Amino acid sequence: GAVVSQHPSWVICKSGTSVKIECRSLDFQATTMFWYRQFPKQSLMLMATSNEGSKATYEQGVEKDKFLINHASLTLSTLTVTSAHPEDSSFYICSARDFVAGGWLGQRMGTDTQYFGPGTRLTVL
Amino acid sequence: GENVEQHPSTLSVQEGDSAVIKCTYSDSASNYFPWYKQELGKRPQLIIDIRSNVGEKKDQRIAVTLNKTAKHFSLHITETQPEDSAVYFCAATRYNQGGKLIFGQGTELSVKP
Repeated sequence: GAVVSQHPSWVICKSGTSVKIECRSLDFQATTMFWYRQFPKQSLMLMATSNEGSKATYEQGVEKDKFLINHASLTLSTLTVTSAHPEDSSFYICSARDFVAGGWLGQRMGTDTQYFGPGTRLTVL
Repeated sequence: GENVEQHPSTLSVQEGDSAVIKCTYSDSASNYFPWYKQELGKRPQLIIDIRSNVGEKKDQRIAVTLNKTAKHFSLHITETQPEDSAVYFCAATRYNQGGKLIFGQGTELSVKP
């Protein structure tokens, strides 16, 4: 399958500072990337959809001014946690959408698959 | 919008037994159903997926079945091994509609040697 990298893998920061997390699709172009947050023993909570060259779409309840998303190229999206506080401590995971246009149920089927990055463990002191 | 329910939340089996995880979805327009395996502290890995035009798909010890009428799909793991222990997530989406996945709550599978 396709490869998605994410950096850093872990970060510890002081309260009030900003942290940037990078998500890269290494062997395919991703017009769409997604950012998730995951708490221990819970499912993935979608935070926002990042589209190349346009503004991100945030899920209800996610503060767009706190979680800044930039998708400047077809292989890179960044999430910046601004003025981080201890409650922002979490596991952040990105995914990149590998989309190939085509039919869905017939011949020359297209694909629409998400590949995940390894995640970033953020700890805010 | 779409809602995906997953059961059970935890599942413990003996090595060599089979494991079944079930999911139901609410949006009848959903047509793509992937399953992800996530080991502790690691990324979710796509293990198998199924499209709405088929009722079953197999890949070695893993199979997925889909019942469109009932709007449910299941993951079947046969001859379980300790390395199958992980959290499994089902998801649903519509092809070419933005790619947004709706995840189930996850099932923690424990395979005891």
